[in-house]
Amino acid sequence: TQLLEQSPQFLSIQEGENLTVYCNSSSVFSSLQWYRQEPGEGPVLLVTVVTGGEVKKLKRLTFQFGDARKDSSLHITAAQPGDTGLYLCAGRGTGGFKTIFGAGTRLFVKA
Amino acid sequence: DVKVTQSSRYLVKRTGEKVFLECVQDMDHENMFWYRQDPGLGLRLIYFSYDVKMKEKGDIPEGYSVSREKKERFSLILESASTNQTSMYLCASSLARYNSPLHFGNGTRLTVT
Repeated sequence: TQLLEQSPQFLSIQEGENLTVYCNSSSVFSSLQWYRQEPGEGPVLLVTVVTGGEVKKLKRLTFQFGDARKDSSLHITAAQPGDTGLYLCAGRGTGGFKTIFGAGTRLFVKA
Repeated sequence: DVKVTQSSRYLVKRTGEKVFLECVQDMDHENMFWYRQDPGLGLRLIYFSYDVKMKEKGDIPEGYSVSREKKERFSLILESASTNQTSMYLCASSLARYNSPLHFGNGTRLTVT
């Protein structure tokens, strides 16, 4: 069974601080996605990374896919209260459409 | 905009009842998924379907079954609900491309008493 380990599980920071969330596995993924979920809603896609070593930027968010396609990170620069939410990484294996998720990182940004 | 609609936001059922959770998507997606979400465990895949009448077990299929008679509709069935099936259930759909994102509904919070 493929597993995705996400850390930290919970993060509470002040507005303006930087943070990094990690997503690690012993398995290789064909692609890795990051989602954000707000209370009462389903997860919404932030980004998909597909190439080993790939870096994608979305405003203050930087996503990186590991060279071996087994791990990923999400870095947020100058966090804002609007970044508060549950961040989930999700990996799709090389053999099909099955998508597995990490346990999530609950981020709280205080004003 | 893709819309995935789950028929109920909240459900309360008794132990032993047969429970149906319905999900409909309006974007002609080939793939549909059922996950359950529990604190500290993230989203765990119960079943998924890549075509009408086709289904595959996910990581935690025990106690669940699914039905996909039409492309747009994917139903999750709890044959005999138990208290450990109290959870948030999320339905998702995606295109049949290897890096297609999942589009989620807003979830059904099921409580089994």
